[in-house]
Amino acid sequence: DQQVKQNSPSLSVQEGRISILNCDYTNSMFDYFLWYKKYPAEGPTFLISISSIKDKNEDGRFTVFLNKSAKHLSLHIVPSQPGDSAVYFCAASVVGTSYGKLTFGQGTILTVHP
Amino acid sequence: NAGVTQTPKFQVLKTGQSMTLQCAQDMNHNSMYWYRQDPGMGLRLIYYSASEGTTDKGEVPNGYNVSRLNKREFSLRLESAAPSQTSVYFCASSATGDFYGYTFGSGTRLTVV
Repeated sequence: DQQVKQNSPSLSVQEGRISILNCDYTNSMFDYFLWYKKYPAEGPTFLISISSIKDKNEDGRFTVFLNKSAKHLSLHIVPSQPGDSAVYFCAASVVGTSYGKLTFGQGTILTVHP
Repeated sequence: NAGVTQTPKFQVLKTGQSMTLQCAQDMNHNSMYWYRQDPGMGLRLIYYSASEGTTDKGEVPNGYNVSRLNKREFSLRLESAAPSQTSVYFCASSATGDFYGYTFGSGTRLTVV
C-alpha cells in the first residue's frame, strides 16, 4: 500500500526550461510534505517543504504547490540547470505523531540537458 | 562536521551470513532511522528510534534487528541475510519532531548472493 506515489520514474528537460515533478498521496492524515534531492552515492538532502495550511511555498528557483482536495503536490524548478539532475523524492508526515517519521515516494530521476 | 556516518559503504554477503551496519551522528539528534532504498520502491522505513533507549518497527522490519547503543549510535543487524535484503541502506537522524531536519548518511550498498 503505497501511501505516497510518484508516478513518473523519470523526467528529461532542457536547461532553462521548467521542470515539474508530481506526487500524489492517499493518507488524508498527512499534513506536512517535503521534497528531498539525491545525487548518486550520496544520501538524500532536504530541498523544500510545505505545511497543509499553505498551498504554495517558494525558495529561490524551487516552488512547491499543494492541492489538498486532490491530494497532490508538485515541485517546480525554474529555470532548470544541469546541476539539478538528480533523483527527487517527495515525502509526507503527520505533525505531532511518531517522532517525525517520513513516508517517501518512489522517486523521480530528473535529467537536465545543457 | 561529519553529520551522519555509516559503515561500511559496500558489503557483499553470502545467504545466511550475518552482519551489522553501523551508524553514528554527531548533531545531538534525539531521533534516528534506518531506511532501505530499492528500485521502484523509494525509501522504506525499517526501524526507528525516537530517543535513546527506545526502538520501534517501521514499514519493513522483518529480517532485521536494531540497537540504539547511545544517543549517537544506531546499528542495524541482519541475523541471516537473504537475497531479498540486497539494497542500499540509509541511516538518518533528526531533532525530535524536526521533519525538515532529517540528515542522511551516504548509504551502505549491500549485496546478498
